[in-house]
Amino acid sequence: ETGVTQTPRHLVMGMTNKKSLKCEQHLGHNAMYWYKQSAKKPLELMFVYSLEERVENNSVPSRFSPECPNSSHLFLHLHTLQPEDSALYLCASSQGRGNQPQHFGDGTRLSIL
Amino acid sequence: GENVEQHPSTLSVQEGDSAVIKCTYSDSASNYFPWYKQELGKGPQLIIDIRSNVGEKKDQRIAVTLNKTAKHFSLHITETQPEDSAVYFCAASSSNFGNEKLTFGTGTRLTIIP
Repeated sequence: ETGVTQTPRHLVMGMTNKKSLKCEQHLGHNAMYWYKQSAKKPLELMFVYSLEERVENNSVPSRFSPECPNSSHLFLHLHTLQPEDSALYLCASSQGRGNQPQHFGDGTRLSIL
Repeated sequence: GENVEQHPSTLSVQEGDSAVIKCTYSDSASNYFPWYKQELGKGPQLIIDIRSNVGEKKDQRIAVTLNKTAKHFSLHITETQPEDSAVYFCAASSSNFGNEKLTFGTGTRLTIIP
């Protein structure tokens, strides 16, 4: 596989469930990102990992917990989510952070019941 | 922080005609400006980018222009085709070394009319 792969593509969960989103990049990049995309709003940066170290947490609620076990994999652990968390969650990667092109996966469409 | 405004929000163009999407940014220190295309059910795909030391860049039917003085940049698509129909996003990157991040516009839904 090439590029950035996200699983699952769709996820429906209740407010009390715990689930995880997975992202894998096959581009040899060393920085990875989580974004939230909601209707009629700009993409919102959530977390940034550079060389497997979290370098940015953009005031995201603690019910979202990222994990980056190595430079190719990124997870977003979800628990006790709210209806307003329903959105498309996008993962991206880049070679370094210095204004380098970011490559996106196709996202996970999350619906909170 | 950086603020990016994008216009128009929707744009319909006859096939074969040109399309122009405009963005303005607030941080005069921003120095990297990518454009992304997002098709239905897909993630954003980088189509072209420009850095602040360049005023214009072209790639086949796509071009981007940058006016640093006015703090605006534009995407130009010539000879539009049905497969150009998608949502297009502009973005600007802050220049804080080691802490660069992209700020995105709200997107333009481009529809090519056959």
